Amino acid sequence: QSALTQPASVSGSPGQSITISCTGTSSDVGGYNYVSWYQQHPGKAPKLMIYEVSNRPSGVSNRFSGSKSGNTASLTISGLQADDEADYYCNSYTSSNTDVFGTGTKVTVL
Amino acid sequence: EVQLVESGGGLVQPGGSLRLSCAASEITFSSHWMHWVRQAPGKGLVWVSRINSDGSTTNYADSVKGRFTISKDNAKNTVYLQMNSLRVEDTAVYYCANYFYWGQGTLVTVSS
Repeated sequence: QSALTQPASVSGSPGQSITISCTGTSSDVGGYNYVSWYQQHPGKAPKLMIYEVSNRPSGVSNRFSGSKSGNTASLTISGLQADDEADYYCNSYTSSNTDVFGTGTKVTVL
Repeated sequence: EVQLVESGGGLVQPGGSLRLSCAASEITFSSHWMHWVRQAPGKGLVWVSRINSDGSTTNYADSVKGRFTISKDNAKNTVYLQMNSLRVEDTAVYYCANYFYWGQGTLVTVSS
């Protein structure tokens, strides 16, 4: 149950687009369309941003989008805003009937 | 508004036990998988355990298997996490969630 691999940090200027990668294996990310993404501001509970690879829950801005290719999933934030500055985590179902989170990415808005 | 409220955290000595509870309002556990996720101070999210809608299926992370037990009472709309043989490395904020909704977390500190 090794954590999925994410870049430690990603940054961008307001209005730009950034992409966060989440790399796993064929036993998790690559094997199932059960990848989700979470935003977490300091001291707060995580918030679901994307589920089942590319679906947005009601109320989440369409500036957030998800995709997957092989064993790597991606979260793209377009039109970057100051409030997007937070930690982001991916999550996947695994072949062991467990879930696994990514290592987390700190997004900085310059 | 949907709310998940955890309770039961606190300070416990290594080897001790705690039972966490997660009570839900406005949603019914009977139709959702429920999860426990933890976060050590300054660290990332770690999945701990899950239970299916009728409580017949449970899964655990290797790090807690054999020590933690997840259960639920659909009549009380409450999910539990019984934690035994606690270790210093179990120190974390514990969240319950169905992933769409999350509780505020409860802090478990394992220390002598």
